[in-house]
Amino acid sequence: GDSVTQMEGPVTLSEEAFLTINCTYTATGYPSLFWYVQYPGEGLQLLLKATKADDKGSNKGFEATYRKETTSFHLEKGSVQVSDSAVYFCALYYNQGGKLIFGQGTELSVKP
Amino acid sequence: NAGVTQTPKFRILKIGQSMTLQCTQDMNHNYMYWYRQDPGMGLKLIYYSVGAGITDKGEVPNGYNVSRSTTEDFPLRLELAAPSQTSVYFCASSPGGIETQYFGPGTRLLVL
Repeated sequence: GDSVTQMEGPVTLSEEAFLTINCTYTATGYPSLFWYVQYPGEGLQLLLKATKADDKGSNKGFEATYRKETTSFHLEKGSVQVSDSAVYFCALYYNQGGKLIFGQGTELSVKP
Repeated sequence: NAGVTQTPKFRILKIGQSMTLQCTQDMNHNYMYWYRQDPGMGLKLIYYSVGAGITDKGEVPNGYNVSRSTTEDFPLRLELAAPSQTSVYFCASSPGGIETQYFGPGTRLLVL
């Protein structure tokens, strides 16, 4: 069945470091892909999305490109801040009833 | 705009007790969802609804029930609480299947 796999955390970086969080998926057809972020004590909120191959989603300095050939949607940011400390979830849109399938989440901790 | 609200924020239940987790959205969204989030795991879909009067099972529905009598409300019922239901529960809504999901702040449930 459809699934999402993320790199395991926690990931600890120093401020201004480069961030990559890997995400790969298995799906039939052509799913839409999402990154959601969960700040401490809060619910999830959409960070960015891409709906077709080669699309690049971007928001708040984060980027991810939908790579159909490698079935990947890696999240990147050139210079992380302490305020980026959160759990990041990769997800795909499951083509039935509007259901999202989530990866297990990757915790990011950014130190000053 | 309140978005998606959930009550209570935190609850402790004894094994065998029942309770209802409340979820309300004020965005006139047709789709609503209940997820549970266990430590180190992604979100698992419990139940979802594509409109008032229509509900369907997700990935982990056992031990839960839902109803959707209005567009705004989507309560989740636990009939006989078990320790395995200790989790954080998130409600979400979206305008349609592929659209962004908007999450509530979550309810932390502890079953002892």
